[in-house]
Amino acid sequence: SQQGEEDPQALSIQEGENATMNCSYKTSINNLQWYRQNSGRGLVHLILIRSNEREKHSGRLRVTLDTSKKSSSLLITASRAADTASYFCATGPGSARQLTFGSGTQLTVLP
Amino acid sequence: DTGVSQNPRHKITKRGQNVTFRCDPISEHNRLYWYRQTLGQGPEFLTYFQNEAQLEKSRLLSDRFSAERPKGSFSTLEIQRTEQGDSAMYLCASSPGQGETGELFFGEGSRLTVL
Repeated sequence: SQQGEEDPQALSIQEGENATMNCSYKTSINNLQWYRQNSGRGLVHLILIRSNEREKHSGRLRVTLDTSKKSSSLLITASRAADTASYFCATGPGSARQLTFGSGTQLTVLP
Repeated sequence: DTGVSQNPRHKITKRGQNVTFRCDPISEHNRLYWYRQTLGQGPEFLTYFQNEAQLEKSRLLSDRFSAERPKGSFSTLEIQRTEQGDSAMYLCASSPGQGETGELFFGEGSRLTVL
């Protein structure tokens, strides 16, 4: 079963616009991570936010975490066609060593 | 290239045949993970190694699946008596260190098609 659920399942925007994806999860976590996957390829780590952090930035990425609502959001600013990919949140709960991934948001950025 | 390497990248087999996938992690990483991903879904955890010890296994890993990591280096995932439902992308990832799970470094995956 998957711990996280992303919303929306699919998002289509114009180049230059901002893209926001949301992730909800069910159990307590140590950290939450976002990954990107281009079609047919492996996943690439984007950013990690710990349970005691509320916001984190990396380049054009901004991640927020609300542990009271068990939710996170990923904002990509000034999107580019090259940002077209699937985006997954992954949670690392408790003492478990594996990450549990959500079902992903498919982002399409139109040139 | 010093990233995670997976072979073969694509495998087509007939139902009932055995298949084996290999993963070479980043050399200094002591943690190694196998995930399975079907179309339109996120990766699902299969199993995890800390060095050569297999510490966690998902209920998804039926008795037809076996994974090894001899000497704590490369790992193999074998599927015996393949079924059409085994068709998926099999992803390997590695990570360094101890403590909480941080960033995973993924390979490009091995895509299995069972006819």
